Amino acid sequence: QKEVEQNSGPLSVPEGAIASLNCTYSDRGSQSFFWYRQYSGKSPELIMFIYSNGDKEDGRFTAQLNKASQYVSLLIRDSQPSDSATYLCAVNRNTGNQFYFGTGTSLTVIP
Amino acid sequence: GAVVSQHPSWVICKSGTSVKIECRSLDFQATTMFWYRQFPKQSLMLMATSNEGSKATYEQGVEKDKFLINHASLTLSTLTVTSAHPEDSSFYICSALLLDYNEQFFGPGTRLTVL
Repeated sequence: QKEVEQNSGPLSVPEGAIASLNCTYSDRGSQSFFWYRQYSGKSPELIMFIYSNGDKEDGRFTAQLNKASQYVSLLIRDSQPSDSATYLCAVNRNTGNQFYFGTGTSLTVIP
Repeated sequence: GAVVSQHPSWVICKSGTSVKIECRSLDFQATTMFWYRQFPKQSLMLMATSNEGSKATYEQGVEKDKFLINHASLTLSTLTVTSAHPEDSSFYICSALLLDYNEQFFGPGTRLTVL
């Protein structure tokens, strides 16, 4: 079983819609959860992190964490074509500074 | 967010030569840095964890004698690809760990092409 799993997509949504990206993780001891965005040919950039169960909102982005279900998601409201990218979920155990990345979900926002 | 730089941003070299890539944390000290490799349309692959003042920890399947990592200061880690071959052509990305916040910030990446 992979440490972090994401649907590779591609996920397509129309402009203005809500894009929902999902991620599951295997280690119940995981404590920190991150969402990165990676444009083609560029390195990942941090969008959001979440540590506690529930929702965390930042502008058009909302991260949701459910530790009981070992599930973390990212919602993008009012999706824009500029949101088209690969979104990487990362999980940290806080032991040995080990981060585990999912394979990423490709999102396309259609104008 | 914190700033991490990489140099060079791209490099072309001949097969058999060595290439050094630098990763710098510009506005914070990073005791831990990570080196990743990413082939086209594939996911990030962690190569090694670099700890300041100690030996790097390599992931399974990564040759430590081929990919030399040095983390001599709290703001600089280097990756040297020795005796490069065309199959080493890839996008190499470093990241630095901002320990207080347990967040990882990525450099812009180095695109290596080995002829």
